[in-house]
Amino acid sequence: KNEVEQSPQNLTAQEGEFITINCSYSVGISALHWLQQHPGGGIVSLFMLSSGKKKHGRLIATINIQEKHSSLHITASHPRDSAVYICAVSNYGGATNKLIFGTGTLLAVQP
Amino acid sequence: EAGVTQFPSHSVIEKGQTVTLRCDPISGHDNLYWYRRVMGKEIKFLLHFVKESKQDESGMPNNRFLAERTGGTYSTLKVQPAELEDSGVYFCASSLGRGRAQYFGPGTRLLVL
Repeated sequence: KNEVEQSPQNLTAQEGEFITINCSYSVGISALHWLQQHPGGGIVSLFMLSSGKKKHGRLIATINIQEKHSSLHITASHPRDSAVYICAVSNYGGATNKLIFGTGTLLAVQP
Repeated sequence: EAGVTQFPSHSVIEKGQTVTLRCDPISGHDNLYWYRRVMGKEIKFLLHFVKESKQDESGMPNNRFLAERTGGTYSTLKVQPAELEDSGVYFCASSLGRGRAQYFGPGTRLLVL
């Protein structure tokens, strides 16, 4: 079992729909990261959070430390949101701050 | 400010050959990470530099992989000799310090035939 699990693995939505991607983790963390990778593109950091909720435009990320669970929400989805969304965790209390990644969620938003 | 750059963007080599990947972090970022995604799997950590020192190389698969960061600036990752299972995308990331966001390069796509 991976230390970071994401669901769903694949998601197809219609333009305008509200989208939720979930992430659960089994290790102690200092921060949880949501990353985005467009087809053929690089990895971009969307959020880094250790508690509560963060919002950027149409993207909202929440984390529940007690339940070891985070969600990424996309409101009013658009075809340009089509990408792989990756959840990763880090623990910088140790010697390093390496990221432990989930397998990613492939999102396709259809017009 | 320039982002993290990686060279080459693609590399196709034959089994047994040597390949060297390069990463230039964001200027001033002391922390440099190498990660790898093998087809169908999640991205996995390879190693972490702080300046020129290896802080953690627990993710390096075997002794065919050698990473260096001379002078604490750019880093190289050499695979010698390459094997088929080394194929994948190699990402480099840098950060200003521990606990800070990591910025990723575009990756090097390595195919070993």
